[in-house]
Amino acid sequence: DIVMTQSPDSLAVSLGERATINCKSSQSVLYSSNNKNYLAWYQQKPGQPPKLLIYWASTRESGVPDRFSGSGSGTDFTLTISSLQAEDVAVYYCQQYYNTPPYTFGQGTKLEIK
Amino acid sequence: EVQLLESGGGLVQPGGSLRLSCAASGFTFSSYAMTWVRQAPGKGLEWVSSISGSGDNTYYADSVKGRFTISRDNSKNTLYLQMNSLRAEDTAVYYCAKGGTMTLPHWFGPWGQGTLVTVSS
Repeated sequence: DIVMTQSPDSLAVSLGERATINCKSSQSVLYSSNNKNYLAWYQQKPGQPPKLLIYWASTRESGVPDRFSGSGSGTDFTLTISSLQAEDVAVYYCQQYYNTPPYTFGQGTKLEIK
Repeated sequence: EVQLLESGGGLVQPGGSLRLSCAASGFTFSSYAMTWVRQAPGKGLEWVSSISGSGDNTYYADSVKGRFTISRDNSKNTLYLQMNSLRAEDTAVYYCAKGGTMTLPHWFGPWGQGTLVTVSS
């Protein structure tokens, strides 16, 4: 199974500042035939179900603010929030869908306000 | 607007059974793979099972293979998860989620609000 490892486990950022969350896969999730990275990002606010933010590593889901962006390729990926808002406090998860099944998630990164 | 509403959770004894349901609306249900993901209290997300849009193909995590069965009724726009031989470690909130394609979900979204399954004597 592909193991997804996120860093850091928790992060405190000031309002308006940039937040960066990293995700590393134990093997490449780049499918060479279509040059797509099989990686998604989710946001889970307290007491709520997860919400899809990004798929194909960098494609924002409809309705997701453009301060959220995804980047990276192969085994190393980043979720960036360009200017942190109070409503962005949440746990963020990455997920690979290269090996199907099983789909695997990272352990989560808790984002708080400094 | 896509809506997913899970039901069927509750308290069950070890070794018991439950059937979860997920009623879907707001999209062409049969055109999308569907997935169950669970989250144990205070823990992260764990993929449980997926099913193709037609229902012909099913997939399971090793932790539930042979005990859980995913199915769907496209005429009723409903997804199911039959859970047998339940264990304490199956205690979690179970979410259903819409997949990104018809054959394999790939990514998951939107998600339902979840239903809590507690396995305890």
